[in-house]
Amino acid sequence: GAVVSQHPSWVICKSGTSVKIECRSLDFQATTMFWYRQFPKQSLMLMATSNEGSKATYEQGVEKDKFLINHASLTLSTLTVTSAHPEDSSFYICSASYSGSTDTQYFGPGTRLTVL
Amino acid sequence: QKEVEQDPGPLSVPEGAIVSLNCTYSNSAFQYFMWYRQYSRKGPELLMYTYSSGNKEDGRFTAQVDKSSKYISLFIRDSQPSDSATYLCAMSPTGGGNKLTFGTGTQLKVEL
Repeated sequence: GAVVSQHPSWVICKSGTSVKIECRSLDFQATTMFWYRQFPKQSLMLMATSNEGSKATYEQGVEKDKFLINHASLTLSTLTVTSAHPEDSSFYICSASYSGSTDTQYFGPGTRLTVL
Repeated sequence: QKEVEQDPGPLSVPEGAIVSLNCTYSNSAFQYFMWYRQYSRKGPELLMYTYSSGNKEDGRFTAQVDKSSKYISLFIRDSQPSDSATYLCAMSPTGGGNKLTFGTGTQLKVEL
């Protein structure tokens, strides 16, 4: 149980275009979803926390207008990278937790974004 | 100074060796401590979860937390080539289901 999926697993886009990444909890209702970014050989850095039906809370230094997060349902959150540039190329990972799972968040497999 | 410090390695050991992985931290509010294993280009998977100080054992894995020294460790006994991965420590003041602060990860290679 507690499976989180991401789609796509890998995306290549041209500079200036927007890319949407989906994060789904397959067998539980995710009251909270987290979006992380991981550069090569670096740690996961939390970008934002989203709760279903409310606006995401962004970490300091993360541009809200560039990284749009929508948590429209208890099983789906999306991250849209707007006007992507090569420096946005990274590994984006989502995770999800549910009310009562204060000790655990379940990670998705990640999405590798390459901006040309 | 980073909140969580972890030696990035790489650490190379022979099969069967005991592996010791460590993290130090500066935020005394951290109460919950986790170790994740991440294979290349995959999401992290939870290995160990501990609250406050003490030891926890699960199979070949032992997690230790010393809050007085702000130091946590993960020991892997009888290491196997399948243990080759990056190991990330993570911490939270309020629980593993909430905001986590990660270390940079230690890359481990277990050789035949």
